[in-house]
Amino acid sequence: AQKITQTQPGMFVQEKEAVTLDCTYDTSDPSYGLFWYKQPSSGEMIFLIYQGSYDQQNATEGRYSLNFQKARKSANLVISASQLGDSAMYFCAMRELNYGGSQGNLIFGKGTKLSVKP
Amino acid sequence: ETGVTQTPRHLVMGMTNKKSLKCEQHLGHNAMYWYKQSAKKPLELMFVYSLEERVENNSVPSRFSPECPNSSHLFLHLHTLQPEDSALYLCASSQDQQGGMNTEAFFGQGTRLTVV
Repeated sequence: AQKITQTQPGMFVQEKEAVTLDCTYDTSDPSYGLFWYKQPSSGEMIFLIYQGSYDQQNATEGRYSLNFQKARKSANLVISASQLGDSAMYFCAMRELNYGGSQGNLIFGKGTKLSVKP
Repeated sequence: ETGVTQTPRHLVMGMTNKKSLKCEQHLGHNAMYWYKQSAKKPLELMFVYSLEERVENNSVPSRFSPECPNSSHLFLHLHTLQPEDSALYLCASSQDQQGGMNTEAFFGQGTRLTVV
């Protein structure tokens, strides 16, 4: 079964509008971390935002916010006031704790291609 | 210096060639990773090195051979590859800590590999 599911292969948004990119995850561990990355056409994966499973408040970083709904196991990324430079692939990822408490590896979803229209 | 540097950026190789991908991180991290990114697939974790020891090998074919001579450098040696190995190969590093969940991985720009 997929650990991370991103159901939107592609999304369009008008410049200056907000857009939500969906992410659902599957884990039975109580401790986990959720990440969003942006990948422009240059290839580099750029870290955007992090949400811990025990965090009470939704994470925010500038124009990025994470709509964390723990019971639904969803961690949607909201980008406000979209800019042309936001056009890129966006990946949701999760890190669990290994047995023994060591840090697990990042597991990625298939990504969503966001296109911002002028 | 950028955090994680990969060379070369692009590589075209024949199926009988031997080549190596190089990754260097300047962040003082203790873990390094190789990921494979193929079209329309999630990133696939290939190898993990923690404190210069390989801790995970996700059933990667032996034609891919990693090497981590020190905590700052990671190589991926390639030999007798197949056309389906054509992909973007991404290197990443992170500062892993026991019980830590919030350490993000920092990625290089990748090597675009084409096997002909």
